[in-house]
Amino acid sequence: EPEVTQTPSHQVTQMGQEVILRCVPISNHLYFYWYRQILGQKVEFLVSFYNNEISEKSEIFDDQFSVERPDGSNFTLKIRSTKLEDSAMYFCASSGASIQSSGANVLTFGAGSRLTVL
Amino acid sequence: GESVGLHLPTLSVQEGDNSIINCAYSNSASDYFIWYKQESGKGPQFIIDIRSNMDKRQGQRVTVLLNKTVKHLSLQIAATQPGDSAVYFCAENDAGNMLTFGGGTRLMVKP
Repeated sequence: EPEVTQTPSHQVTQMGQEVILRCVPISNHLYFYWYRQILGQKVEFLVSFYNNEISEKSEIFDDQFSVERPDGSNFTLKIRSTKLEDSAMYFCASSGASIQSSGANVLTFGAGSRLTVL
Repeated sequence: GESVGLHLPTLSVQEGDNSIINCAYSNSASDYFIWYKQESGKGPQFIIDIRSNMDKRQGQRVTVLLNKTVKHLSLQIAATQPGDSAVYFCAENDAGNMLTFGGGTRLMVKP
């Protein structure tokens, strides 16, 4: 079964450093997403990306964050000048169609990248 | 702001019993609801969904009930098995592709 692959599985960084989390979505998918989950809390939407641009973003996704699809296979989340409160599990997801039209069953999540900011 | 929340943080059931996990939502504009299962070290996994024009939907061993009057959603798992042990999240969608997740309920199945 096709998977969404995320790297690294765990990254430890110093406060103020920049991190890039990488995702390889399912190959024929068109919609890409980042969510985060602070330990013990709910999953929170960050951003969705379609047709090479951001289509939706939450209040969490401020200027500290950026996303990019640098080539035909990768989808990255960059966090500049990390803060302690950025420590969380970051989930990438992809879908072949929009959730509104086809339902959430088309959405596949990766296993996540755990970010620890010291 | 609008939110989706859960009544019970932890539910412990005996293997073979039925489980009911509840969720309250406050965004009356939401028209689509989803239940996710999250096992340790994994991302959320789709279980079942329901649109606001329905009040019940059944899958394999799972049933989702939607009560729009009181903005309540529940997930029923029949004959709960040890493999059902996980954290369960409800999520809502009112437009676009953004999902708003609830706080999660941990289901523990005792053998």
